[in-house]
Order: sequence, then C-alpha cells, then structure tokens
Amino acid sequence: ETGVTQSPTHLIKTRGQQVTLRCSSQSGHNTVSWYQQALGQGPQFIFQYYREEENGRGNFPPRFSGLQFPNYSSELNVNALELDDSALYLCASSLDAYPDTQYFGPGTRLTVL
Amino acid sequence: AQSVTQLGSHVSVSEGALVLLRCNYSSSVPPYLFWYVQYPNQGLQLLLKYTSAATLVKGINDFEAEFKKSETSFHLTKPSAHMSDAAEYFCAVSDRTGNQFYFGTGTSLTVIP
Repeated sequence: ETGVTQSPTHLIKTRGQQVTLRCSSQSGHNTVSWYQQALGQGPQFIFQYYREEENGRGNFPPRFSGLQFPNYSSELNVNALELDDSALYLCASSLDAYPDTQYFGPGTRLTVL
Repeated sequence: AQSVTQLGSHVSVSEGALVLLRCNYSSSVPPYLFWYVQYPNQGLQLLLKYTSAATLVKGINDFEAEFKKSETSFHLTKPSAHMSDAAEYFCAVSDRTGNQFYFGTGTSLTVIP
C-alpha cells in the first residue's frame, strides 16, 4: 500500500468526450506526477505539479491538463478524447521533486470507444 | 534529451538462478536512474534509485544495480530468482532538474519452477 489512491478504477468514454481522473496523494507530499501507460508500453510522463503549479510537462497536447489542490488531491483532465487515449493513467506523489521516491497509485483504466 | 533502452522485452530464468535485466541510458549529463517493478493490475513500486552517491545501489528484495558511466548502463541483478519476482520491470531516468522523467518499455520477467 502506497497511500496513493485513484478514482475511478475503470472508465469508458466515447470519442470527443471529456474525462476527469482523480488522485489522492500521501499527506504532506508536495509533488504529483501523471503518466499514461498504453498496453504493453512503459509509462509516458504527462506532467508534474509542485505546490499547485505545473513544474514540468512531457510531450502531450494542451487538451491534457491538470490541477493540484491544497488538500493533496489532484486531477487529470482530458478534452476531446481520441481512441489513442485509451490507456492506464497513473499518478505518483513524492515529498518533493525528483529524485525523491515516487509512490504510485494503482491507476485508472480509460477506454475510449 | 534523456532516454532509456531496455534490452530484451521478455526474460525467463529458473527459480534460484541469477536475474539480469539490462538498461542503457542516454543523457548529456549524469542523470538520476531508477528501477521500478509492476505486478499485474497494480501501480509501480520503486526497487532502487541512483542519485550520484555510490555506483552500486542496493534495493528491496535483494535487487541491486550498478551505474557504469563508461557503458551508460544501469543493469538490474538479483542473485537468486524467486517465483514472486515474476513481474514487469521498468528502468527510468530523470535529469537533474527533476521535471522530466522517462521510462523504458519494460522487461517482463518469467520465473520457471
């Protein structure tokens, strides 16, 4: 148990819709990162938030956005869903920025039809 | 830009045999390096990390890895495989700014009784 939880566990959406995924970090962890893991692939870094500000971003379009809240929860929002967005979405929290140990949640499985 | 290459998408070893999972990195400056394990339907768990202290890093469950700058490698080893080690293993790299993080494509380890 890492103390990081994600909701929902599974989600099915249709192309063009919008989705919000949620993550609850360990208490006291100032950093949260989001990753997309396609089937059979390694996680791809989407972005990182540190104390409610975006602190780094991978090669993802602006329709992927996020929020981090003072209560150690965070959201990943994806607009205009595409079929290729189907993946496992992982959040990870850490006390501070890298190389602090990241604690991963179990992920949200998103299917886009 | 950082990247990691994991050689061998599938590795099979007999129970009790040496485990060797290969990872090579590409970085213009000495990076931070990590090994993670992912069990089916679970998030990732940190096995060990290199942050420029000792080049031989010991992790959980008797795993260790050696940072070799001359070979740009960070291979993961374990002296004696257990059935419970069967999982997906990911090598990852981040730069010193800490706001970019890259995973390899993973190596699936099978342990044969």
